[in-house]
Amino acid sequence: DQQVKQNSPSLSVQEGRISILNCDYTNSMFDYFLWYKKYPAEGPTFLISISSIKDKNEDGRFTVFLNKSAKHLSLHIVPSQPGDSAVYFCAAMDYGGSQGNLIFGKGTKLSVKP
Amino acid sequence: DGGITQSPKYLFRKEGQNVTLSCEQNLNHDAMYWYRQDPGQGLRLIYYSQIVNDFQKGDIAEGYSVSREKKESFPLTVTSAQKNPTAFYLCASNKGVKQPQHFGDGTRLSIL
Repeated sequence: DQQVKQNSPSLSVQEGRISILNCDYTNSMFDYFLWYKKYPAEGPTFLISISSIKDKNEDGRFTVFLNKSAKHLSLHIVPSQPGDSAVYFCAAMDYGGSQGNLIFGKGTKLSVKP
Repeated sequence: DGGITQSPKYLFRKEGQNVTLSCEQNLNHDAMYWYRQDPGQGLRLIYYSQIVNDFQKGDIAEGYSVSREKKESFPLTVTSAQKNPTAFYLCASNKGVKQPQHFGDGTRLSIL
């Protein structure tokens, strides 16, 4: 059973607009969440993270929101740029109890059109 | 430049053959990980190591083996027991187990 779900396999957005990528999780023990960006034939690149003591974390054009009661997080990219076109993976960890293993979603492919 | 180097970028395996994927990091990270990615899927953990000479199985360890003789190196062997080895393999490392993992550029393994 998938513990981290990204229900939208793809998303297309116009350049300059907002991109919103969503992620749901089922394990209530997860308390640390990360977003990675991946280009074809390359490894994922860490983008931004958030711990469960916060509901928002911002880094430049990237903001992650966490709704613990809904077990939902989202990544907002504003403004979207063509170079943001990639696959975005959501990942989660039981920060307090685990050995640091990440559980990944299946990814959402973002296409930003000029 | 500090980073994680995986080699080779492409690898082909014959039936019944073991192959070894290399992963080297110069980030002075203690923990290292191996993941497998299949088309349309997320990353699944094969093995991980938090310290030299110690490693643990991940979710899909069957048919794989690893060693951690040096801090910098965490090679993965895909054995003939792995019946469906065709995938993209990613190595990662982090300073401590509760830090973001940083990834290499992967090795794509195919069957001849």
